[in-house]
Amino acid sequence: GDSVTQMEGPVTLSEEAFLTINCTYTATGYPSLFWYVQYPGEGLQLLLKATKADDKGSNKGFEATYRKETTSFHLEKGSVQVSDSAVYFCPGKRSYIPTFGRGTSLIVHP
Amino acid sequence: KAGVTQTPRYLIKTRGQQVTLSCSPISGHRSVSWYQQTPGQGLQFLFEYFSETQRNKGNFPGRFSGRQFSNSRSEMNVSTLELGDSALYLCASSLTPFDNEQFFGPGTRLTVL
Repeated sequence: GDSVTQMEGPVTLSEEAFLTINCTYTATGYPSLFWYVQYPGEGLQLLLKATKADDKGSNKGFEATYRKETTSFHLEKGSVQVSDSAVYFCPGKRSYIPTFGRGTSLIVHP
Repeated sequence: KAGVTQTPRYLIKTRGQQVTLSCSPISGHRSVSWYQQTPGQGLQFLFEYFSETQRNKGNFPGRFSGRQFSNSRSEMNVSTLELGDSALYLCASSLTPFDNEQFFGPGTRLTVL
């Protein structure tokens, strides 16, 4: 399977701070990698994805680069807003079963 | 294009009852997955259906079951409800099975009293 390890939360930041949420993966090949976001009271939404090594996914000011040398897909944003407060998921797979875990909760204060 | 819809959005049941949740995938998507989300365990995979066949199953007791219809709509059923079944149940659709690019519905919030 393609397992991932995502940093535990919560992450608490002030508005306009820099955000990094770590995600590292273990895979036999180079699977597609994804970040999902879940806003309060909603289901998950695909935030961004990268389908091959060295790809950079980006959306809504968030970026993540698929780095095969460090097996990482860290989520970054240069200046967070209160509206970015949500739970972020970097899913993996274990024996074809999707694994999302608890995600990383981000709390942004004004 | 309409997104994934789930009904009902909220449900309150008592222990021992059974419940059926419904999910309509995005048009053209033939794979439907179900997840249980709780604060303690996070988002856990229940099962996945494709072309009316269960393709994959998570580690949940047999009280949790599902099915998929020919129009790709899916239902999940939980029998003999327990307090611990209180959770947000999320449905996700995708074009193909085992696809990590999934589109989620808003969920059904089940409370068991």
